[in-house]
Amino acid sequence: GAVVSQHPSRVICKSGTSVKIECRSLDFQATTMFWYRQFPKQSLMLMATSNEGSKATYEQGVEKDKFLINHASLTLSTLTVTSAHPEDSSFYICSGRVQDSRIAKNIQYFGAGTRLSVL
Amino acid sequence: AQTVTQSQPEMSVQEAETVTLSCTYDTSESDYYLFWYKQPPSRQMILVIRQEAYKQQNATENRFSVNFQKAAKSFSLKISDSQLGDAAMYFCAYRSAGGNEKLTFGTGTRLTIIP
Repeated sequence: GAVVSQHPSRVICKSGTSVKIECRSLDFQATTMFWYRQFPKQSLMLMATSNEGSKATYEQGVEKDKFLINHASLTLSTLTVTSAHPEDSSFYICSGRVQDSRIAKNIQYFGAGTRLSVL
Repeated sequence: AQTVTQSQPEMSVQEAETVTLSCTYDTSESDYYLFWYKQPPSRQMILVIRQEAYKQQNATENRFSVNFQKAAKSFSLKISDSQLGDAAMYFCAYRSAGGNEKLTFGTGTRLTIIP
């Protein structure tokens, strides 16, 4: 299957600082990537859809100025949590959508996630 | 808006036995995809199986199979010959076949395998 690499796997930061999370598709091109947030023992909630070369589409209730998404290339999307606060502590997961016909189309492959802890 | 419901927060099964996880969904669309994802303790989401709504035949992947009942909007996952490595959270997910590619997840079922 397709591989998505997410980095870092864990980050601890002080309140007020910004944190950048990277999501890379290693063996396929992802014109579309997705960013999810998962609270403990809960399901994944879509935050935004990241489109290569254009602005991200945010879900209702997600602050676009707080969660900055950049998708500058076909293999890299980044999520920056700006001025992080303790309530931003969560597990963030990205996924890439495979379009290559050699691999099953329209399937999202997920990164291993990033655990963010804001002190 | 589509919703996905998993009514079993936790399930357990004896090793080598068979277990079925339930999932129902609500949609007004006729064409869509359904997925089962597995999230082991590592938190890595792994695709288990997928089903296209236009296909009547139930999808199978080795020990994993689904019972897709489109009229009832039901999509259950059957795991045969359960193994210790099957222990994980299992999420059912819905995706429209149209332009909106977002996945809508259920709340998950935690599966425990009893040795």
